[in-house]
Amino acid sequence: DTGVSQNPRHKITKRGQNVTFRCDPISEHNRLYWYRQTLGQGPEFLTYFQNEAQLEKSRLLSDRFSAERPKGSFSTLEIQRTEQGDSAMYLCASSPQGQVREGYTFGSGTRLTVV
Amino acid sequence: DQQVKQNSPSLSVQEGRISILNCDYTNSMFDYFLWYKKYPAEGPTFLISISSIKDKNEDGRFTVFLNKSAKHLSLHIVPSQPGDSAVYFCAASGSNYQLIWGAGTKLIIKP
Repeated sequence: DTGVSQNPRHKITKRGQNVTFRCDPISEHNRLYWYRQTLGQGPEFLTYFQNEAQLEKSRLLSDRFSAERPKGSFSTLEIQRTEQGDSAMYLCASSPQGQVREGYTFGSGTRLTVV
Repeated sequence: DQQVKQNSPSLSVQEGRISILNCDYTNSMFDYFLWYKKYPAEGPTFLISISSIKDKNEDGRFTVFLNKSAKHLSLHIVPSQPGDSAVYFCAASGSNYQLIWGAGTKLIIKP
């Protein structure tokens, strides 16, 4: 297992376009998280899945954002009608259930630039 | 309302000396605290954690101290090495799965 994998690494898109990011977690981890990080800030929680169920969504996740995790494996995060304010690093992480103390394992992120 | 604060955006330390990174929190319901390290173009990497029932946890060169009465924790790195140059994030967790993060401190180790 090579850890958490995110694709693409970079995405430049025009305002108003839709974008989709993919995250492949560590295979035995049943929890998957999406975070967003802007320059000079720590990661901000967006949403998380336990297996295929999306159990929590942050108020940061507007209705233009949707996340899925079909079959409890990989996850996708889609942003519709992108805005310049969506420019950020989108981080995916996974963990075994309940093990906050060991920390999450993060992917390298997808950097989105909306022009 | 920032529940986790890292008030020093950057810190410069001579190689071989001690690096001390600080973090303050406001929510007394937090019961687990973690430090992550982040290199450019990579995701954060878990470094060390501490439960609120402890006041110290040590792992090699890294030690985290927790002062619950002051709602303050610190990460000590001794001795500091050039590879320690990175951004360090403090994060806190309550009874759920979420981590609340500070804004990070950029540590620069000078040779």
